This record gives sequence, C-alpha cells and structure tokens, in this order.
Amino acid sequence: ILNVEQSPQSLHVQEGDSTNFTCSFPSSNFYALHWYRWETAKSPEALFVMTLNGDEKKKGRISATLNTKEGYSYLYIKGSQPEDSATYLCATPTGNQFYFGTGTSLTVIP
Amino acid sequence: NAGVTQTPKFRVLKTGQSMTLLCAQDMNHEYMYWYRQDPGMGLRLIHYSVGEGTTAKGEVPDGYNVSRLKKQNFLLGLESAAPSQTSVYFCASSRQGGTQYFGPGTRLTVL
Repeated sequence: ILNVEQSPQSLHVQEGDSTNFTCSFPSSNFYALHWYRWETAKSPEALFVMTLNGDEKKKGRISATLNTKEGYSYLYIKGSQPEDSATYLCATPTGNQFYFGTGTSLTVIP
Repeated sequence: NAGVTQTPKFRVLKTGQSMTLLCAQDMNHEYMYWYRQDPGMGLRLIHYSVGEGTTAKGEVPDGYNVSRLKKQNFLLGLESAAPSQTSVYFCASSRQGGTQYFGPGTRLTVL
C-alpha cells in the first residue's frame, strides 16, 4: 500500500483569494501524479497528469507543480471562485494500481 | 459517447443478501477499477482488471468478487452483504497508467 497524503484536509477561503494545497507521495519508483477535482454528488474528473520532475501544468486559474525527487506536488488556485468549491484528489499509480490521497476539501465563500 | 456508466445508482440490501453492480465503458480502455468511498478514507481500490478475462485484488477486496467477461464491462459482486459494505462505489476505466474516467457512483446501504 502506497502512502499518499494531502494537506490540509479542508480549507475555507473567501472569493478572490488565492490558495494552494499539497500532495505528498513516495518518491521511489515514481511513475506519474494525477490531480482530480471532485464536486459533491458527482464523480472525480481529471485535472492534470504530471510525470516529469519540475513539471508545471495550468488549466485556467488552476495550476500544479511537481517535485519527484522530494515527493510532493502543489495545486494552486488563483482568485478562487465559488464554483471552485470541491474536493481535490491526488493519486499516483504503482504497478497496475492507483493510490489516492484522502483529498483537500475546498469551500470558497462568496 | 456515454463514457463510464454504472447500474444501479442506489440500492438498499439486507444483511446477507447478494447483488451485482455493473460498470460499462465505451472508450475501449483496457484497465477497469472498482473503488469504494467512505468518509475520511478517500477512494480505496477493491479490485481491478487489466484486460478482458483478468482480475486482481486491490487494497480492500474481502467480501467482493469481480468478473470481466467482456472488455467493456466490469462487474462487482457482493455474495453476502454486511453493514460494513455500506458505501459509495465508483467504477473507473483508463489506459495503462493514464487518466481515470469515473462513473457516477452507486450508493449502497446494507441494513
């Protein structure tokens, strides 16, 4: 079992604030790091797949960075909007299995 | 394309009853997965399949069985349901190591 940790567990920010959260994973035998966005009553949807150390990905106001040597990834949201409220999951595959973190629950207060 | 579909969406069982959850995907993905989601536990892998006719155990396989007779379908069976199996079940499919595409989930309650 792979230990994938996310922090913080939950976050409340005001609309317009920028925020970030962390995913930590074992750096040995690294293959890829996935970020998913999971809205309440829906299913997780992919945001990014990152494979190379130093990778940076961006999708609108959301971006992510990857450090495979130290085993962490940051997800940033610039100018948070209420529609950004969701749980953000990271996951890493090992062999044929995916290991998910428990997620960071983001609430953006209008 | 429908993507990944799951049936049923909701189910209530009594302890000891059996049921089968069906997952179907139309993306020609080799890999399919069954997860359960419990509060504070995130997504935990029950079983997975890397191709038609193959299945393997994940992190929490006890009490579940699976079958992948056709590439597009992945079935999850509960032989004798227990209250501890009350959960939301998600199916997903992907190419090897690629983005996972999730179904809408099945909410199961075992009384």
